[in-house]
Amino acid sequence: DAGVIQSPRHEVTEMGQEVTLRCKPISGHNSLFWYRQTMMRGLELLIYFNNNVPIDDSGMPEDRFSAKMPNASFSTLKIQPSEPRDSAVYFCASSLWRAGSPLHFGNGTRLTVT
Amino acid sequence: DQQVKQNSPSLSVQEGRISILNCDYTNSMFDYFLWYKKYPAEGPTFLISISSIKDKNEDGRFTVFLNKSAKHLSLHIVPSQPGDSAVYFCAAGYLSNNDMRFGAGTRLTVKP
Repeated sequence: DAGVIQSPRHEVTEMGQEVTLRCKPISGHNSLFWYRQTMMRGLELLIYFNNNVPIDDSGMPEDRFSAKMPNASFSTLKIQPSEPRDSAVYFCASSLWRAGSPLHFGNGTRLTVT
Repeated sequence: DQQVKQNSPSLSVQEGRISILNCDYTNSMFDYFLWYKKYPAEGPTFLISISSIKDKNEDGRFTVFLNKSAKHLSLHIVPSQPGDSAVYFCAAGYLSNNDMRFGAGTRLTVKP
């Protein structure tokens, strides 16, 4: 089991640029979550999918953020245009859509927007 | 709006003693609670969980207590070991789905 795989591990970009974060969930998991970790707010849920369908995107900060899950093995989180306040660690997690199934997190992408 | 709060950003204990990490939640509809542990440069990993029908769940050195009337849960680690040094996140949500809300985390340091 390779676990949840996120890429890149680190991303440094300039303000105004487009940023795309990628996630490969654990095979067989049918729920996928994007979280953002900051010092001030801890782990915030941005959006989650069940069976590739977005269920709740109320945590997405603003229209600059978008997420897609074109198939069961891949998801992207895009920020366009990026701003310095978007700097954070972004985590992807997957789980089975089953009562009590814990989330399995990737190692995160550390985003720095200068 | 933070529905899950961990009011202590850090905690330091001596090896062999008990570590107690606390968590409060505001949504009385939450019925499932978990603790995750996070090492630097890694994602959080699941540690232990409890549903609202129980008030205690134990797994080796780790015990989670739930006080529904106070909307409070705690994680006890005994005895604490240096390898337990990590950031601990409390999470709350619903057993019927996996929409979990996390606290800001507590950094535990266990001193040899």
